[in-house]
Amino acid sequence: DTGVSQDPRHKITKRGQNVTFRCDPISEHNRLYWYRQTLGQGPEFLTYFQNEAQLEKSRLLSDRFSAERPKGSFSTLEIQRTEQGDSAMYLCASSLSGASREKLFFGSGTQLSVL
Amino acid sequence: AQSVTQLDSQVPVFEEAPVELRCNYSSSVSVYLFWYVQYPNQGLQLLLKYLSGSTLVKGINGFEAEFNKSQTSFHLRKPSVHISDTAEYFCAVSSKGGSEKLVFGKGTKLTVNP
Repeated sequence: DTGVSQDPRHKITKRGQNVTFRCDPISEHNRLYWYRQTLGQGPEFLTYFQNEAQLEKSRLLSDRFSAERPKGSFSTLEIQRTEQGDSAMYLCASSLSGASREKLFFGSGTQLSVL
Repeated sequence: AQSVTQLDSQVPVFEEAPVELRCNYSSSVSVYLFWYVQYPNQGLQLLLKYLSGSTLVKGINGFEAEFNKSQTSFHLRKPSVHISDTAEYFCAVSSKGGSEKLVFGKGTKLTVNP
């Protein structure tokens, strides 16, 4: 069990640029979640996948955000035309559906800074 | 929809003192309750959870929490803290039968001083 890994750990970009983050869940986990955490706030749910299907999206997720999980394994989160308000920590988590709800594991996150 | 209120944004305590971090929730449906801890530059780690049964739940690192349905609270306690407990603590809820999506509070920064 290598845990949930996220890449990169840090990303600095200029406003208007596109960025993409990657999340590799624990290998047998079929559910994958994306959260966003800003300074002084708790994580906010963005979206989740069961296998390759995106089953729920938060209203927080604007049209500039898109997430994929093409083969039901790793996932990518892309932000187009970044804005300064997108600066946040982006967290990924994974779990095995049907298992006890304690089995939600978080990665260390990708810290995005938009200048 | 659910919401979580953590009443204290910062809690400073001295080493070996007891601590209580307060959490209240609001929900129109039955919920599961969780406490997570986040150390600097690390991901969230589950401390404990309440799913059903006994309202007093014990977690890792000597923490415990009590579910109080009438007061819609799930306060976290530890009888004697250590400097290594310094971290951010998040209370969270998810609806029973749902997607396991978590709704988090804003967090409480616990600082343990020598």
